[in-house]
Amino acid sequence: AQKVTQAQTEISVVEKEDVTLDCVYETRDTTYYLFWYKQPPSGELVFLIRRNSFDEQNEISGRYSWNFQKSTSSFNFTITASQVVDSAVYFCALVRVSWAGANNLFFGTGTRLTVIP
Amino acid sequence: NAGVMQNPRHLVRRRGQEARLRCSPMKGHSHVYWYRQLPEEGLKFMVYLQKENIIDESGMPKERFSAEFPKEGPSILRIQQVVRGDSAAYFCASSPGTVRDEQYFGPGTRLTVT
Repeated sequence: AQKVTQAQTEISVVEKEDVTLDCVYETRDTTYYLFWYKQPPSGELVFLIRRNSFDEQNEISGRYSWNFQKSTSSFNFTITASQVVDSAVYFCALVRVSWAGANNLFFGTGTRLTVIP
Repeated sequence: NAGVMQNPRHLVRRRGQEARLRCSPMKGHSHVYWYRQLPEEGLKFMVYLQKENIIDESGMPKERFSAEFPKEGPSILRIQQVVRGDSAAYFCASSPGTVRDEQYFGPGTRLTVT
């Protein structure tokens, strides 16, 4: 069975602080993909990153960085020098590969980040 | 290149009515997924379709819900005899291929059942 846990329901930080959003996953598959999506107040879902299970290299994109630790089944997301525009709900997701090759995403319950000016 | 289109963006239905949600995938994408987001919750997978075929409907409620992706036209998620518990945001996503490909999400349809 697949499961994604985002234990932090809500986080508030003051602008320019760094913040880390936690994601822990469970899967029996040896091959899988992990994603982060951002859902701003407007409601749409914005893709942030995809990572496959064989690539544990950390990734940095501007103020965003991701730490994938297979040993602890975690895929954490850090925002450096947070800004008010980062305020959103962030979802971590896992791809399940079914017998038909389907890639339906299993989402965590999300972490609501509020950045206070 | 237009993104994933969903309409309507907001839909209000009375209990017992039918709701039809439409999704036009990105150009060149032949894989469509429907997800439901209940208030204050994450998205839950409902169904995965390719043109004219339902590939995986393991997340669909057994009754009142159906989905199709015809050869021509948008994918349709249909909810018959809606109840208050169906009130949610319904998101459609499309991808060009399978598991290695990112899913692009539409803006969602917010269904309110009164």
